[in-house]
Amino acid sequence: KQEVTQIPAALSVPEGENLVLNCSFTDSAIYNLQWFRQDPGKGLTSLLLIQSSQREQTSGRLNASLDKSSGRSTLYIAASQPGDSATYLCAVADTNAGKSTFGDGTTLTVKP
Amino acid sequence: NAGVTQTPKFRVLKTGQSMTLLCAQDMNHEYMYWYRQDPGMGLRLIHYSVGEGTTAKGEVPDGYNVSRLKKQNFLLGLESAAPSQTSVYFCASSYRRDETQYFGPGTRLLVL
Repeated sequence: KQEVTQIPAALSVPEGENLVLNCSFTDSAIYNLQWFRQDPGKGLTSLLLIQSSQREQTSGRLNASLDKSSGRSTLYIAASQPGDSATYLCAVADTNAGKSTFGDGTTLTVKP
Repeated sequence: NAGVTQTPKFRVLKTGQSMTLLCAQDMNHEYMYWYRQDPGMGLRLIHYSVGEGTTAKGEVPDGYNVSRLKKQNFLLGLESAAPSQTSVYFCASSYRRDETQYFGPGTRLLVL
């Protein structure tokens, strides 16, 4: 059974700092990995999707990497802003039917 | 496009009552998913569908039933609600299993 772990559970940084969020998974036979953002009381918004054959994806200040062999992904946020404050979740899709297993998320607070 | 919409936004049930949660998407997506999100448990897949007329069990299907009679709609039913089903329910959809999942805003359900 796939297990997804996100460390740390919470992170507080001053505005402007670069930061890295971590996601690890136990079964490397994945279809893709997706990073989401969730604001309090809201649904999930997709940030980046990395297919199993890819090593990284970039969107604006966000860069996500994938290392299947070690079962790890990182989400790099450059020049953090208060508006980046949210919970970030990673989800790993298995190879059978695209079913996703989610981590518990990292709650990020960016202080002005 | 409205994207993924969920009805209702909030509901209170008494133990033993039944209800249906409606998910609708206007993006012509083949895949649709129902998740529940609980503190400390992350998001867990309840049921999913890979196309009109198909349904399959996810990680926590007990106590729930689903139907996908129309491609754009995915219904989640609770036949006899239990307090353990108090949760936030999210619907998601994707065009193919290797593409981005788009989430609805969620339905908050309280079972007394």
